[in-house]
Amino acid sequence: NAGVMQNPRHLVRRRGQEARLRCSPMKGHSHVYWYRQLPEEGLKFMVYLQKENIIDESGMPKERFSAEFPKEGPSILRIQQVVRGDSAAYFCASSRGTGSPLHFGNGTRLTVT
Amino acid sequence: DQQVKQNSPSLSVQEGRISILNCDYTNSMFDYFLWYKKYPAEGPTFLISISSIKDKNEDGRFTVFLNKSAKHLSLHIVPSQPGDSAVYFCAARMYSGGGADGLTFGKGTHLIIQP
Repeated sequence: NAGVMQNPRHLVRRRGQEARLRCSPMKGHSHVYWYRQLPEEGLKFMVYLQKENIIDESGMPKERFSAEFPKEGPSILRIQQVVRGDSAAYFCASSRGTGSPLHFGNGTRLTVT
Repeated sequence: DQQVKQNSPSLSVQEGRISILNCDYTNSMFDYFLWYKKYPAEGPTFLISISSIKDKNEDGRFTVFLNKSAKHLSLHIVPSQPGDSAVYFCAARMYSGGGADGLTFGKGTHLIIQP
C-alpha cells in the first residue's frame, strides 16, 4: 500500500542549474498538489494538477517554475536557473478528489549552493 | 497576510494530560479545516478534519472543535502520549466550486510531551 512517493529525497544544485522533483501519487488518486516549506514556516500552496491539466497555479512563482502531471508517469515540478532562495522542502500531496484529505509524501529537500 | 494563524510555536504537556492546540483564521470563506501531524524529515500526516457545518468532530483521543463566530478551532489530545510529540499544522480549505484551491496552512505548533 504505497503512499505518495517523492524522489529524490535530497537534491543539491548549483545556482543557475535546473531542478526536477518527481511525485507519484497514491494509487487511485488523480489529484496532485505541490507545496513548499521554507525554514520556520508553514507549507505554502504552489500548484494543483489533475491528469494533463493545471487546475490552480496561483501559488507558483511566475518565472522559472513549472509543473506537469502527464497522462503516464509522475508529476514533475521543474525549477529552472535555481537561486539560493529556492532552497526549501518541497512536498507533494495527492487526493481522490475535492473534499478528500490530502496525503503527503516525505518531501524533497532542495539545497542550492 | 497570514490567513491561518497558530500563535504558539511550541507547547509542552505532561504525559497523560490534555494537549490543546489552537488555530485562528481570518477568511470566512474557509469551509473545511484539517489538522496534520509532522515528524522531522517526514511529510505531514492527516489527523482529523471538520466541516464548517459542524462544531465538533471526535476520533479516538483526538477531538477538533470549531467556533465559527470566533473563527477559531482547536485540537484536543487526551490523554497525551510520548508519540504525540511532533509539529501540528492547522489547515483550511476554501472550496471555490470551479477548480479547488489548495490548503492554507498555519506555521505549526511543536508539541512536546514530557514523561
